[in-house]
Amino acid sequence: NAGVMQNPRHLVRRRGQEARLRCSPVKGHSHVYWYRQLPEEGLKFMVYLQKENIIDESGMPKERFSAEFPKEGPSILRIQQVVRGDSAAYFCASSLTLTGPQNIQYFGAGTRLSVL
Amino acid sequence: QKEVEQDPGPLSVPEGAIVSLNCTYSNSAFQYFMWYRQYSRKGPELLMYTYSSGNKEDGRFTAQVDKSSKYISLFIRDSQPSDSATYLCAMSKSGANNLFFGTGTRLTVIP
Repeated sequence: NAGVMQNPRHLVRRRGQEARLRCSPVKGHSHVYWYRQLPEEGLKFMVYLQKENIIDESGMPKERFSAEFPKEGPSILRIQQVVRGDSAAYFCASSLTLTGPQNIQYFGAGTRLSVL
Repeated sequence: QKEVEQDPGPLSVPEGAIVSLNCTYSNSAFQYFMWYRQYSRKGPELLMYTYSSGNKEDGRFTAQVDKSSKYISLFIRDSQPSDSATYLCAMSKSGANNLFFGTGTRLTVIP
């Protein structure tokens, strides 16, 4: 009974490179969320996706960041031309439904991105 | 002003103590309240989920919500060293998709 799977667990990139973070939700969950956790800060919402659709990207930086959740395969968070300020832990969560008690979000172990 | 405020601690208690963790919030639109536990270098793990004012108990954990005061609490009875972690409060609005988190309180239970 696999939970939310994220890979890689650790990712090192040099400034200007691209980072791709992958997330496979809990089996049967069609709602995926990405959060970013900076050191000594709480998790901050970035984007919410359903299959093939971005529903809410209000927390996503306007440039360099994009996300997708294709019909087949994992959700991808892509960061282009990374800068040192992108260094953080990125967490993916999934839920069964959008509203009500079953909108419980289950989190993966995160990807820790380090930008050199 | 942050929408969710949480004392970051750190908080150290002896084994067996009762721990009280708290968060306040400013937006009355929050309807669902959660407590997550996060061990070092791990993802948040859901501990408690409530959507009404009052108390909810699960084993050694009790979650309390006071919507009139915009205040939520998590109590841990008979605390154990394995409870040492960062505790995050989170909340969401009705019909909304994203969670708003506190900064987390780091707890250490000393054997």
